[in-house]
Amino acid sequence: AQTVTQSQPEMSVQEAETVTLSCTYDTSESDYYLFWYKQPPSRQMILVIRQEAYKQQNATENRFSVNFQKAAKSFSLKISDSQLGDAAMYFCAYRNYGGSQGNLIFGKGTKLSVKP
Amino acid sequence: DSGVTQTPKHLITATGQRVTLRCSPRSGDLSVYWYQQSLDQGLQFLIQYYNGEERAKGNILERFSAQQFPDLHSELNLSSLELGDSALYFCASSSGGLAKNIQYFGAGTRLSVL
Repeated sequence: AQTVTQSQPEMSVQEAETVTLSCTYDTSESDYYLFWYKQPPSRQMILVIRQEAYKQQNATENRFSVNFQKAAKSFSLKISDSQLGDAAMYFCAYRNYGGSQGNLIFGKGTKLSVKP
Repeated sequence: DSGVTQTPKHLITATGQRVTLRCSPRSGDLSVYWYQQSLDQGLQFLIQYYNGEERAKGNILERFSAQQFPDLHSELNLSSLELGDSALYFCASSSGGLAKNIQYFGAGTRLSVL
């Protein structure tokens, strides 16, 4: 079974600085998707960024980028120019590419605090 | 706003009771997923429906059941409630059942069992 591990329960960053959140996963599949979701205090789960495993190029969405290391099964999220609104729980998630089971498998999350 | 609507936002009930959580997916989305978020278990997949049919099951208890109706809205039924069922229940929808289809989450229903 696939598993997702986020080893940093909490992180803190100064406003305007850069922070990296770590995520490792375990799978025997070669094709899959990886995601980072953000959960602010409002509880809404918001997709931040998505990476297809077959793509070597790291995904980027504005201030958010990932470092995808397929061989190491590592998928970290870098937030540049951190803003107060980035404060939230961040969840790394995995999804198989094929098969009928399209559910997401989540890590335990990292709580990010942004200091003004 | 994700376009996924969950009702009610909050639910307080007693042990042994039965509740129904409702989810309206985004317009046009055929696939609905239910997840449970609790402090000890984290975010766990419960069940998936695609166009009215059950597609996949996760860690869903036998006391829980779900269905997806012809208009594509879905309901999650929780019965014989226990204190440990207190959690945030999310519904997510996607246009299809493929991995490339992004899942959009509702705001969740917070269930408190007293």
